[in-house]
Amino acid sequence: SQLAEENSWALSVHEGESVTVNCSYKTSITALQWYRQKSGKGPAQLILIRSNEREKRNGRLRATLDTSSQSSSLSITATRCEDTAVYFCATDVDYNQGKLIFGQGTKLSIKP
Amino acid sequence: EAAVTQSPRNKVAVTGGKVTLSCNQTNNHNNMYWYRQDTGHGLRLIHYSYGAGSTEKGDIPDGYKASRPSQENFSLILELATPSQTSVYFCASGGTGGAQAEQFFGPGTRLTVL
Repeated sequence: SQLAEENSWALSVHEGESVTVNCSYKTSITALQWYRQKSGKGPAQLILIRSNEREKRNGRLRATLDTSSQSSSLSITATRCEDTAVYFCATDVDYNQGKLIFGQGTKLSIKP
Repeated sequence: EAAVTQSPRNKVAVTGGKVTLSCNQTNNHNNMYWYRQDTGHGLRLIHYSYGAGSTEKGDIPDGYKASRPSQENFSLILELATPSQTSVYFCASGGTGGAQAEQFFGPGTRLTVL
């Protein structure tokens, strides 16, 4: 079973629109990270949000965390073609092990 | 800037052959990780390491070995490659702290086992 998973396999919006990717997880966590992977590249972190935080921003990106419903969202405003990528959420299973569990990813396509 | 490199970038191997994938990081991170990425499965952890000389099994270690001879280098070894190990492999480095530590990924190695 997935300990972290995004709620949609794929999303598509037009450039300039806003979009939200959702993630749910199944254990208590210390933090959750959002990563972006562009075609042919390795994933790169976008935002880290800790369990005692409700919202974190990074430019056009906004992440929220709801520990009561064990869910997180990543919103992107004023989308650009270069936002086309796969977006992953990742969280920890056991803090002491230093391991991250990644969701399956949401493929986001930004249409011109 | 964080730097993780992998070699080779592409590899074609024969069934039953030995394959070694190499990873080097210049971040001075204690932790290093090997993942494989397949459509529909996201990133799955194969092996990881807390430092030179240590290797730990991840979630899907069967058929793989790992070696961490130094802080900078972490290798993934397929002693007897099988077609089911055809995948894209990513190495990452990161600090301690579980989900509170960012992981820095390499560019990936595409492995095809015929």
